[in-house]
Amino acid sequence: QKEVEQDPGPLSVPEGAIVSLNCTYSNSAFQYFMWYRQYSRKGPELLMYTYSSGNKEDGRFTAQVDKSSKYISLFIRDSQPSDSATYLCAMTGITNTGFQKLVFGTGTRLLVSP
Amino acid sequence: KAGVTQTPRYLIKTRGQQVTLSCSPISGHRSVSWYQQTPGQGLQFLFEYFSETQRNKGNFPGRFSGRQFSNSRSEMNVSTLELGDSALYLCASSLVTIAGGTDTQYFGPGTRLTVL
Repeated sequence: QKEVEQDPGPLSVPEGAIVSLNCTYSNSAFQYFMWYRQYSRKGPELLMYTYSSGNKEDGRFTAQVDKSSKYISLFIRDSQPSDSATYLCAMTGITNTGFQKLVFGTGTRLLVSP
Repeated sequence: KAGVTQTPRYLIKTRGQQVTLSCSPISGHRSVSWYQQTPGQGLQFLFEYFSETQRNKGNFPGRFSGRQFSNSRSEMNVSTLELGDSALYLCASSLVTIAGGTDTQYFGPGTRLTVL
């Protein structure tokens, strides 16, 4: 079983829709949770960053973490065609050597049609 | 400020060969991490270098190695290439080591390696 599970999609929505992207994880040591966006032929770019449980909002984006359920979400309001990309969740935890490692989900491909 | 640069952008090799990929971090960044991205496995952590020292390592065989120079530039080497090594190799830089906190990582565009 992978440490982080993410539905690969593609997820197709019309412009203006609310998008919900999700990841589940198994390692309870994860403390920091991130969402990256990756356009075709580009490297990932950090969108949102959350520590522990709770919500964080940034413009049209809201990140939500539920540590009790080991479940994180990214909501995109008023989705735009320019939001079409692959969205990767990532999280960090403590290894047995004490260093943190960054673990990514496989990414969900989002397609927003005009 | 220039972003993370990776060279070459595309590479075609045959099985058994070796390859060296290069990454130049953002000026002032001392941490460089390498990742392998494939459709099936997603983004997988290879290793991280900070101040010329390997600080963390993922679960990859010893054929994958790296190093960092005093100017923070980093190279990754893969020896005895296998078909399964075909992937997008991404490097990311940050101000401090990811082992020391949660500093934002900035990714380069990647090197697309194809092994025939």
